[in-house]
Amino acid sequence: KQEVTQIPAALSVPEGENLVLNCSFTDSAIYNLQWFRQDPGKGLTSLLLIQSSQREQTSGRLNASLDKSSGRSTLYIAASQPGDSATYLCAAYSGNTPLVFGKGTRLSVIA
Amino acid sequence: NAGVTQTPKFQVLKTGQSMTLQCAQDMNHNSMYWYRQDPGMGLRLIYYSASEGTTDKGEVPNGYNVSRLNKREFSLRLESAAPSQTSVYFCASSEASGRARETQYFGPGTRLLVL
Repeated sequence: KQEVTQIPAALSVPEGENLVLNCSFTDSAIYNLQWFRQDPGKGLTSLLLIQSSQREQTSGRLNASLDKSSGRSTLYIAASQPGDSATYLCAAYSGNTPLVFGKGTRLSVIA
Repeated sequence: NAGVTQTPKFQVLKTGQSMTLQCAQDMNHNSMYWYRQDPGMGLRLIYYSASEGTTDKGEVPNGYNVSRLNKREFSLRLESAAPSQTSVYFCASSEASGRARETQYFGPGTRLLVL
């Protein structure tokens, strides 16, 4: 059974800092690994999706990497801004079952 | 193109009351999902419908029932609400292509308070 873990549960950084959010998964037989953003009181929005054949995906200041062999993914946020404050969730997709989500990392970027 | 819509946005119930949460998607997706989200517990899957006409239990199905009314709509029913069902409920949908680009699209959520 796939399990997805995110550490830390919460992170607070000053504006402008580069940061890394971590995600680990137990079953490497995944089709993709996804990162979502959730603002307070809102639903989830997809940020980046890395297919199993890919090593990384980039969107603006966000870069997500995938290492299937070690069961790890990271989300790198460059030059963080207060508007980046949100909860970030990763999820693993294995094909025959629904997405398996981590519990998320709550990020606060302090101006 | 509204995506995934949920009604109501907020609801207060008394213990023992029943209610149905509605969800609809306009993306012609095959699969639909109901989650609950509680502090410290993350997103937990209640039920899902892989395709029209099918439903399956998720991680926390007790106390809930679902109906896949048609391809667009997937409802979640609480027959006898309990305070432990106080939560934020999210509906999601996906194409269910089984391909490497498969993802889910989420509704805005329903906040439920059971007194």
